[in-house]
Amino acid sequence: KQEVTQIPAALSVPEGENLVLNCSFTDSAIYNLQWFRQDPGKGLTSLLLIQSSQREQTSGRLNASLDKSSGRSTLYIAASQPGDSATYLCAVLGNAGNMLTFGGGTRLMVKP
Amino acid sequence: DVKVTQSSRYLVKRTGEKVFLECVQDMDHENMFWYRQDPGLGLRLIYFSYDVKMKEKGDIPEGYSVSREKKERFSLILESASTNQTSMYLCASSFLLGGNEQFFGPGTRLTVL
Repeated sequence: KQEVTQIPAALSVPEGENLVLNCSFTDSAIYNLQWFRQDPGKGLTSLLLIQSSQREQTSGRLNASLDKSSGRSTLYIAASQPGDSATYLCAVLGNAGNMLTFGGGTRLMVKP
Repeated sequence: DVKVTQSSRYLVKRTGEKVFLECVQDMDHENMFWYRQDPGLGLRLIYFSYDVKMKEKGDIPEGYSVSREKKERFSLILESASTNQTSMYLCASSFLLGGNEQFFGPGTRLTVL
C-alpha cells in the first residue's frame, strides 16, 4: 500500500527566504504527483501537477521536482512571502486507478 | 476556472439524524470524490464515482453512502450521523482519464452533537 510522508511537519522562516518542502512515497509505480495548498479551514488549491514522465514543473515562484526512482518530490518556493503561509500537501496517483494518496502536509509560516 | 461548490460551509447535526452533503462541479468532469480530513489522520477517501450512477468505495466507506444521479452532482449521505463523523468533508472532481488534476471544493465542516 502506498505511503506518502512529508517532512518537516512544520516550518517557520523569515520573509524572503528560499525554501524546500519534501515529499517521499514508498511505491514508485505512480501516474503523477500533485502539490496542493490549504489555508486554515478551507479547501485545497492545486498548485502543480507532475506526470510520472516529467522531472519538474514550474509556476511563478514555485518549482516542483520529481525523482520517481527514489520516491521523492520537492516543492521549492523562491523569495517566500507572508501570503505563502499555509499547509502544503503532496499527493500521488497510483497506476492502478484514480485514487490519490496524501501526505500529512507541511505547515508553513512565513514571518514578515 | 474549474469550480467545485459544496452546499454548506458549516453544518451542525444531532446524533442519529440523516445528513446530506451536496457537491456540484461545472467542468463536465466524469470523476467525483468525497474525502474527510481529520487532524493527525490527513485526507482519507470515502467514496468516488466515475460516471452517473456508478460508485466505488474508498478507504473508509463505513457509515456513509453516496448518490450520483446527474454528472455534475455528487451527494454524500450519512444515514444515521454519529459523533465520530464530526470532521471536515471535502469534495473533488477530475476528468476520467488518469493523470488529470483533482480540483477541490471549499469544504464542509460538520459537527455531530
